[in-house]
Amino acid sequence: DAGVTQSPTHLIKTRGQHVTLRCSPISGHKSVSWYQQVLGQGPQFIFQYYEKEERGRGNFPDRFSARQFPNYSSELNVNALLLGDSALYLCASSVGQNSNQPQHFGDGTRLSIL
Amino acid sequence: GESVGLHLPTLSVQEGDNSIINCAYSNSASDYFIWYKQESGKGPQFIIDIRSNMDKRQGQRVTVLLNKTVKHLSLQIAATQPGDSAVYFCAESASYGNNRLAFGKGNQVVVIP
Repeated sequence: DAGVTQSPTHLIKTRGQHVTLRCSPISGHKSVSWYQQVLGQGPQFIFQYYEKEERGRGNFPDRFSARQFPNYSSELNVNALLLGDSALYLCASSVGQNSNQPQHFGDGTRLSIL
Repeated sequence: GESVGLHLPTLSVQEGDNSIINCAYSNSASDYFIWYKQESGKGPQFIIDIRSNMDKRQGQRVTVLLNKTVKHLSLQIAATQPGDSAVYFCAESASYGNNRLAFGKGNQVVVIP
């Protein structure tokens, strides 16, 4: 069975540009969460979406937005990119929205800002 | 791929020995805990989880211990193998209506053949 898939795997952008990252959850999973992982640190929570609605938001500026589609796939959008946005962006899926279910991660999109 | 474990605490262990990785968590309201393994260039891989109504859970070659009194979590890996070399993260969540995970700092495990 396919795990969480993310695209693209790598991306290079310049400051001020915007970016859209994509995620397909494990089949049957309805919740998708996005995390940012800076080199040498643990992932930081950005958003959770369940049944196309935002269920949680981390401490990130409004330049970050996301949405979930009827097929449960998701997009993360970042506008006005800054050098500090360079990171590995991870998507995780779980069956439901509850906090006591395991989340399974994709291999991420490596975003580099020049 | 790039190293996930830059400047992280490192545990060096001889192949075949047991490994113990410790984690202190901060939120006394957390009621669900997960251990993840992350290899270079990959996303975190689920290892084992435990709910707060338990203090021990065993999987294949791994055991997680939870001490809620001192807010401490540990992961024991039996008969460590070269493929266990990775960065290990503990993560916690609380029932706030979403499944936000808060990750610890991570520990690099290096298995010496």
